[in-house]
Amino acid sequence: EVQLVESGGGLVQPGRSMKLSCAASGFTFSHYDMAWVCQAPKKGLEWVATINYDGSNTYYRDSVKGRFTISRDNAKSTLYLQMDSLRSEDTATYYCVRGLNNWGQGVMVTVSS
Amino acid sequence: DIQMTQSPSSLPASLGDRVTITCRASQDIGNYLRWFQQKPGKSPRLMIFGATNWAAGVPSRFSGSRSGSDYSLTINSLESEDMAIYYCLQHNEYPWTFGGGTKLEMK
Repeated sequence: EVQLVESGGGLVQPGRSMKLSCAASGFTFSHYDMAWVCQAPKKGLEWVATINYDGSNTYYRDSVKGRFTISRDNAKSTLYLQMDSLRSEDTATYYCVRGLNNWGQGVMVTVSS
Repeated sequence: DIQMTQSPSSLPASLGDRVTITCRASQDIGNYLRWFQQKPGKSPRLMIFGATNWAAGVPSRFSGSRSGSDYSLTINSLESEDMAIYYCLQHNEYPWTFGGGTKLEMK
């Protein structure tokens, strides 16, 4: 069974950093592109970033370019999202997604002073 | 960026109804279109991929179709478990973009 378990969320002040992790199991992690998708409270879904199967290519939405970094450790079957210079508008639930098919349960990030 | 215009934003319906949700793409996306269902407090669930293909475990009352730049999700004979928010997503090119969502609710 595919499992994606996010961690690392919480409350953070504007301008600070936070790193999300997504532990994957139940499939061969190194074979799949992975993505982060976010959802602000009571809002719709927004794609954040994608990394290809071996980490050689990454893609970001404009609003996070230069601030967020998606990465992966295939040996640990783990996906990451390093979020720097956080803003209040980054407040959302962040989902780890495998190949646009399987979603984690999400982790909440609240950016507030 | 490709805009996905989803309509309606809200859809009151009754059990047994046939309902259709539509997303219009601002540029060609081929069949790189997926539909997701999201229930309150839950993660999205893939329903349709490649515009017309059922994801695993999706009931046959759900179907996807395409007419030009319009992509539709139809639910035949609505059941109570279908009440949710539905989103389309284009993944033909970056940035991937979602439609604004359609809230399917009891009339």
